[in-house]
Amino acid sequence: DAKTTQPNSMESNEEEPVHLPCNHSTISGTDYIHWYRQLPSQGPEYVIHGLTSNVNNRMASLAIAEDRKSSTLILHRATLRDAAVYYCILEQLTGNQFYFGTGTSLTVIP
Amino acid sequence: DAGVIQSPRHEVTEMGQEVTLRCKPISGHNSLFWYRQTMMRGLELLIYFNNNVPIDDSGMPEDRFSAKMPNASFSTLKIQPSEPRDSAVYFCASSFTVGPRDYGYTFGSGTRLTVV
Repeated sequence: DAKTTQPNSMESNEEEPVHLPCNHSTISGTDYIHWYRQLPSQGPEYVIHGLTSNVNNRMASLAIAEDRKSSTLILHRATLRDAAVYYCILEQLTGNQFYFGTGTSLTVIP
Repeated sequence: DAGVIQSPRHEVTEMGQEVTLRCKPISGHNSLFWYRQTMMRGLELLIYFNNNVPIDDSGMPEDRFSAKMPNASFSTLKIQPSEPRDSAVYFCASSFTVGPRDYGYTFGSGTRLTVV
């Protein structure tokens, strides 16, 4: 399973932007980058995914480096409800399974 | 759509007893995944099914664990006999898979299992 590396934890002030980094130096050309988050006492939920180009949706933006060896999930204005563990995952075409790493625990400070 | 439905939400059982966890995937989804989450090991993939057929069960810890998917709308994860180290939150997820592409997972709310 392809490896991703994320910081264990990050803090952000409420209503400020948050940039959550992810390194995936062994990514292959056909691997999609997915982000999920897990709120306390809930199952993980989909946030965003992309292949090469930057992506935006109502929840977040995904910025993918030109060499695709890293990506950044951007929350434009953090709210207290964004406090969660954020997982960066590679979807490999060799299998349909997602392997979750340890993720980044985001704390939002009021 | 009600999402992925898991039951029960909480289960407390005595060591040695059989435990059955249930999952109803989203209608139309053709892949189903069972995960286990603990503080020590994080989220671990146990097994996944595609079109009701088990594809990869390499994550199943040992023979005490078994999973079935008799039809597209129901799956079970059984532990027999249960042990205290099986205590964890068990998540079921489903997705729509076309060939090698997976169009996102939807997770259930999980079953918190405590084995005493």
